[in-house]
Amino acid sequence: RKEVEQDPGPFNVPEGATVAFNCTYSNSASQSFFWYRQDCRKEPKLLMSVYSSGNEDGRFTAQLNRASQYISLLIRDSKLSDSATYLCVASGGSYIPTFGRGTSLIVHP
Amino acid sequence: GAVVSQHPSRVICKSGTSVKIECRSLDFQATTMFWYRQFPKQSLMLMATSNEGSKATYEQGVEKDKFLINHASLTLSTLTVTSAHPEDSSFYICSALGLADNTGELFFGEGSRLTVL
Repeated sequence: RKEVEQDPGPFNVPEGATVAFNCTYSNSASQSFFWYRQDCRKEPKLLMSVYSSGNEDGRFTAQLNRASQYISLLIRDSKLSDSATYLCVASGGSYIPTFGRGTSLIVHP
Repeated sequence: GAVVSQHPSRVICKSGTSVKIECRSLDFQATTMFWYRQFPKQSLMLMATSNEGSKATYEQGVEKDKFLINHASLTLSTLTVTSAHPEDSSFYICSALGLADNTGELFFGEGSRLTVL
């Protein structure tokens, strides 16, 4: 079983839609969680950290459920520019990060 | 925010040659750097963890004699792909964990796309 699992998608949604991704992690010792965005042939860029209390940044909301060991990312009012691959990351006590394989989002007009 | 510079961004080489990729943290000290490889449409795969002043820790299946990693200072780590072959063609990305940062956030280099002919 992979340590961090994501549905690869693609999620194909119209502009303005709300879309949600989940990511499960198997290492219960994981302490830090992040969502990264990766555009084609580019390096990943931090989208947001995921805190126990949840985290909201504009149209993006991230949540952590430690009991069920998953994190989620909600994107409201999708834009064409949101099209990308979204990677979830879990880091343990030694901060060695483990990436999910990414979820592909395609926002169409 | 923190900046990590990686170069070259793109390199094409002949089979059998060695290629060195540099990763620098520009405005912070990075005690730990990670090297990843990403094949098309696949996830980032951790190759090795590089700690300043000590030997790198390689992930299972990664040949340490083929992928030489040096982390001689708090701001520079290098990855050398020795005797490169076409199957080594990939996107190599470094990332750094800041000295004063305890959140586990990673700062990524821009990546290096290696093509071995």
